[in-house]
Order: sequence, then structure tokens, then C-alpha cells
Amino acid sequence: SQKIEQNSEALNIQEGKTATLTCNYTNYSPAYLQWYRQDPGRGPVFLLLIRENEKEKRKERLKVTFDTTLKQSLFHITASQPADSATYLCALDDDSARQLTFGSGTQLTVLP
Amino acid sequence: EPEVTQTPSHQVTQMGQEVILRCVPISNHLYFYWYRQILGQKVEFLVSFYNNEISEKSEIFDDQFSVERPDGSNFTLKIRSTKLEDSAMYFCASSERGHNNQPQHFGDGTRLSIL
Repeated sequence: SQKIEQNSEALNIQEGKTATLTCNYTNYSPAYLQWYRQDPGRGPVFLLLIRENEKEKRKERLKVTFDTTLKQSLFHITASQPADSATYLCALDDDSARQLTFGSGTQLTVLP
Repeated sequence: EPEVTQTPSHQVTQMGQEVILRCVPISNHLYFYWYRQILGQKVEFLVSFYNNEISEKSEIFDDQFSVERPDGSNFTLKIRSTKLEDSAMYFCASSERGHNNQPQHFGDGTRLSIL
């Protein structure tokens, strides 16, 4: 069956460190993978999109990698800040289903 | 920055009643979506809509659900006869072009509580 797994439900790190979140998938062949941020009581906010032929994408302190052989994406936040505390969701398409499917998210807490 | 707006922010309804959730997508966007998120669970796709018709729907989107774009700005989700298990956050989203390679812009949701 199809599955999207994000590494852990919760991740705590110290301010200034790099946070690394993992998204693994099985039985999908995504052409694109997206990362969103969700704050409590709010809708998801788009962060980054990476295509299957791209190994890495960066935006300011954010970096995403996409390894279609390992079926994995890594999401990094460098020089993390308490304001980065949120739940981070990975989402991918399934070209056969033509819909965006979300993982269950990783709740990141950056401690001052 | 343009945003997706949803009303109401919270809707409380008796089981068996009809409910309509409203959304105003970003004005130049062509694709519209509804998702739901049951408390503590993942965001789940319900339906996508393009050119005044449904383009994709999930297994959750059964005959009790319908969507409509009644005018040039609103996009609505109707649940005909609500059940207790319909209690969830419902998010509307829009994108400029087709789904897979486009960021989706989400509203802040309607919390639906079925009593």
C-alpha cells in the first residue's frame, strides 16, 4: 500500500542548530515533492517544491533534497530560530491519482 | 499578498443538517481544492475543481459532498446530511495552474463541529 512517513512526530533542537526532517515514501512515483509549514489552528503554508530531476533546492535558510532511489526527501533549516517552531508537512503527487497527498508531519520545537 | 479566505471560521451544526462552507480563492487562480484535517491527523485531499467541474475526488468525497462555484469569486463545499465523523477542519486551497507542480495556497480553515 502507499505510505508517506515523516521521521518523528516531534523534534526538539537548540536555537542556532540545523534541523533535519525526513520524509520517506513507498509505492509512489512522484514527479514533485512539496514541503509546507503548519502552525496551530492555521492552514498549511507552502515553503518549497522540488522536482524529481532536481537533487537539491534552497531558499534562504531552507534546503530540500530529493532522492528518488532512496524514496526520500530531507528538509533542513539552518541557523534555526524559535520562530521556526511549527509542524512541517511533506506532500507529494501521485501522477496516477493526480492529487496531493500529505504526510502526518513533524512538530519542530526550537528551544531558545 | 493575496490570500485565500474562508468563512465561517467555526461552524457548529446538528447531526443530519446540511452545512455549506465558503471560500474565496486567490483571484487569478484557476484550480481549487478542498481538504479536511481531523484533529491530530493528517491533511486529507477531498476534491479538486477546474473549469467549473470536478477534476479529481477522493474516496472520502462521497454522495453527501458537493462543490460549487456559484459566481466568479466563491467556491463552496456542501455536506448534505452531516455525520459525527464529519467533525474536522476543512481547508480550501487554490493554485495558479494544475495541481502537481504548483504550490497550493491554503486558507485558515473552517472548524466544523457536529453535535
